[in-house]
Amino acid sequence: GAGVSQTPSNKVTEKGKYVELRCDPISGHTALYWYRQSLGQGPEFLIYFQGTGAADDSGLPNDRFFAVRPEGSVSTLKIQRTERGDSAVYLCASSRSAGGTGEQYFGPGTRLTVT
Amino acid sequence: EDQVTQSPEALRLQEGESSSLNCSYTVSGLRGLFWYRQDPGKGPEFLFTLYSAGEEKEKERLKATLTKKESFLHITAPKPEDSATYLCAVLNYGGSQGNLIFGKGTKLSVKP
Repeated sequence: GAGVSQTPSNKVTEKGKYVELRCDPISGHTALYWYRQSLGQGPEFLIYFQGTGAADDSGLPNDRFFAVRPEGSVSTLKIQRTERGDSAVYLCASSRSAGGTGEQYFGPGTRLTVT
Repeated sequence: EDQVTQSPEALRLQEGESSSLNCSYTVSGLRGLFWYRQDPGKGPEFLFTLYSAGEEKEKERLKATLTKKESFLHITAPKPEDSATYLCAVLNYGGSQGNLIFGKGTKLSVKP
């Protein structure tokens, strides 16, 4: 079946601009996760959703970052007033439910470059 | 503070030369330990979940083991297609159910 998809695959934006990154999870997966991965590092947790609600947003670095999942499926990560330090690969993952076996299935990521 | 440390950072093997990757962890209460494979430009690909000390899982040339302080990913007779970065992550009881804590990974290169 189809895996997790993310769009766009690459995004280049200027410092100070607003960006939206989209994630389509595996059909039927109720939990959705966002991570950020910098070069040479492991993924760093940002936020996770169980259904429509954000169950844990403790990883969001500041209030410029926000994510939504209005219908419990597709999610959008929104970044306001982008900074060069926001440049990274943003990964989305989904699982059948939160916790449990913890088997999170990842998408290919969106590479964000802030110039 | 919960922490995951992987070693070595990079490993070069000849085809057929078996070896092991290490993942040591410090967590308040381990819910599960996960191994992922990541190819360049791609997202992590799930390999194994281990839940308790003494547990082992195998898939083709890979075998993952778990103790109370660390996990090993053993690679037997590797092939060039096994070249990738291998990531270890933990899920703990004390934190969020969704909050996987990753190590930095071990970059494995297998030469023919």
